[in-house]
Amino acid sequence: EAEVAQSPRYKITEKSQAVAFWCDPISGHATLYWYRQILGQGPELLVQFQDESVVDDSQLPKDRFSAERLKGVDSTLKIQPAELGDSAMYLCASRDPGLPSYNEQFFGPGTRLTVL
Amino acid sequence: KNQVEQSPQSLIILEGKNCTLQCNYTVSPFSNLRWYKQDTGRGPVSLTIMTFSENTKSNGRYTATLDADTKQSSLHITASQLSDSASYICVVVAGGTYKYIFGTGTRLKVLA
Repeated sequence: EAEVAQSPRYKITEKSQAVAFWCDPISGHATLYWYRQILGQGPELLVQFQDESVVDDSQLPKDRFSAERLKGVDSTLKIQPAELGDSAMYLCASRDPGLPSYNEQFFGPGTRLTVL
Repeated sequence: KNQVEQSPQSLIILEGKNCTLQCNYTVSPFSNLRWYKQDTGRGPVSLTIMTFSENTKSNGRYTATLDADTKQSSLHITASQLSDSASYICVVVAGGTYKYIFGTGTRLKVLA
């Protein structure tokens, strides 16, 4: 069964350092999402892509966060510089907008970031 | 404002017992409502999905209900198992944008 892949699974970094997360969506899924989930809370949307274009990045802290999906397939989320408050789980999800599945998003396993 | 609220925040039950989790929402327009199970350190996995016209949906020992008039949903777990220990997240999908509105989750712990 096809899955959303993310790497690394865990990342520990010091504040002010740069970190990057990678996501490979399910093949053929044109829509890709990055979420941030703070412990004990629900996921919060950071950015949504349709193919290589950003559809929604209204909640992305653009002074330190950036995201790209250059060829409309895999995606990278970067934080520079990392701050203590960035410690969270970063989830990637993908969706095939053409499928009659009530627009289900499929989630990857996430990257757990710890900023020291 | 679109919001999804869940209760209780956390719950501890003994193995074999039943439990019910609650979800109230104020999302408009409404497309569908989903319950996800999220194991610690993992991504959410879909359990059920219900549209406006559906009242009940089952998936094994999980049964979800939806009252679209009162904008309430519940997830009932029957004969709980240790593997049910996880967070359960209620998600309401907004109509038109298909944006996911997440609840904060209920953390369930099943004890032997």
